[in-house]
Amino acid sequence: GAGVSQSPSNKVTEKGKDVELRCDPISGHTALYWYRQSLGQGLEFLIYFQGNSAPDKSGLPSDRFSAERTGGSVSTLTIQRTQQEDSAVYLCASSPSGSSYNEQFFGPGTRLTVL
Amino acid sequence: AQKVTQAQTEISVVEKEDVTLDCVYETRDTTYYLFWYKQPPSGELVFLIRRNSFDEQNEISGRYSWNFQKSTSSFNFTITASQVVDSAVYFCALSGVGRGSTLGRLYFGRGTQLTVWP
Repeated sequence: GAGVSQSPSNKVTEKGKDVELRCDPISGHTALYWYRQSLGQGLEFLIYFQGNSAPDKSGLPSDRFSAERTGGSVSTLTIQRTQQEDSAVYLCASSPSGSSYNEQFFGPGTRLTVL
Repeated sequence: AQKVTQAQTEISVVEKEDVTLDCVYETRDTTYYLFWYKQPPSGELVFLIRRNSFDEQNEISGRYSWNFQKSTSSFNFTITASQVVDSAVYFCALSGVGRGSTLGRLYFGRGTQLTVWP
């Protein structure tokens, strides 16, 4: 079956511009996570969606970052007024439920470069 | 707080050598899960194994084996008779089940870059 897909695969933007990153989880998976992978910080948790519950935004680094998940499926991560330190690979993952037991299935990531 | 430490940043071996990747964790949760993921050059993280905090049995899967020891808070990963295709970044991760924990949130180590030379 189809895995987690992310688009675009690469995004180059100028400092100050807004960007939107998209994640399409595995069908039927109720839990969706966003992580960021950068050289300096490793893999960092950003935000977590579980079903219709309010998302856990505790990992978002600033109020320039926001995310939504429509219809319990596709998710969009938005970064406003991008800064050079936002350059990283943004990874999306989904799992059958929000249990800590479940392994997460990762997408290929979106490489964001802020010039 | 949850923390995972992978002290080995890079390891290089020659094909057919055995190699062990170290992982040490910290958590105050009594129930937690430990994971290993592989990130090949293509970039996509691939799940390898999960262990819960109540199961200290070692596990072997083909050339892969895992040694979980609560006494030393370690969850080490050994590849026997390594192959070039094993070259990747390997991540150890922890997910806690406790008050204040985000369910399913993974705390990753910094990863170990394994290079296997022919």
